[in-house]
Amino acid sequence: GQQVMQIPQYQHVQEGEDFTTYCNSSTTLSNIQWYKQRPGGHPVFLIQLVKSGEVKKQKRLTFQFGEAKKNSSLHITATQTTDVGTYFCAGTGGTSYGKLTFGQGTILTVHP
Amino acid sequence: DGGITQSPKYLFRKEGQNVTLSCEQNLNHDAMYWYRQDPGQGLRLIYYSQIVNDFQKGDIAEGYSVSREKKESFPLTVTSAQKNPTAFYLCASSGWGEQYFGPGTRLTVT
Repeated sequence: GQQVMQIPQYQHVQEGEDFTTYCNSSTTLSNIQWYKQRPGGHPVFLIQLVKSGEVKKQKRLTFQFGEAKKNSSLHITATQTTDVGTYFCAGTGGTSYGKLTFGQGTILTVHP
Repeated sequence: DGGITQSPKYLFRKEGQNVTLSCEQNLNHDAMYWYRQDPGQGLRLIYYSQIVNDFQKGDIAEGYSVSREKKESFPLTVTSAQKNPTAFYLCASSGWGEQYFGPGTRLTVT
C-alpha cells in the first residue's frame, strides 16, 4: 500500500534559525496536505498542494510539491517559539479519494 | 459554532471492556474518519465513511467497529479484541480536500 515517509523525526532549533521537513511517498500522489499539531492539541490544516512543482507561501512558511508528485517539503524561515509543534504531511493516492496517508510527523522544538 | 466534538476528553477502562468514543460534526460534511495516534507513529487510519450507512476499513481496523447511521455522527467502538487500545483517538471530517479534526479522546486501558 501507499507509504509516506517524513524526515527528520525530531528537529531542535534556536529561535531565528530556519527549519525544513521533508516528505516522500512510495507512489505518485494526487495531492499533498500539510498539518500542524500543537503540543496537547489536534492537527490543523495548513495547506494543500495539487500541481507538479507547485510552490506556495504563507508568511514565513514555504511549501513545495515535487515535479514527480512523490515528494514535498515545508520550510520555515526564522523560526519563532510559536512554531513549536508536530508537522505532518499527508497524501492522497490515485483511487483513494478522500483517504489520506499521513507521514510520521516532524516534532519541532524552538529554543528561545 | 461549526466544528467537530469528541467526548469524553479522557477515558479510562479496564481490560476486557468495550468502550465507545463519540464523534459529532455540524459542518455538513459527507466524509468522516477515525485515526489513532501513538507517539512517533503519526496518524493511522482506523475506519472512514464517505456517506451515511456506508464505511470502509482503514489500515488498522482490527479490534474496532463503527457505525454511520446519521450524517453528523460517527461513533467508534474499541472492543476487547483490540490488543493495545491505549492511545489518542482523533475523529475528522471533510467536505472536499482538507480534513477538520476534533479535539481527540485519550483512552487508557489498564
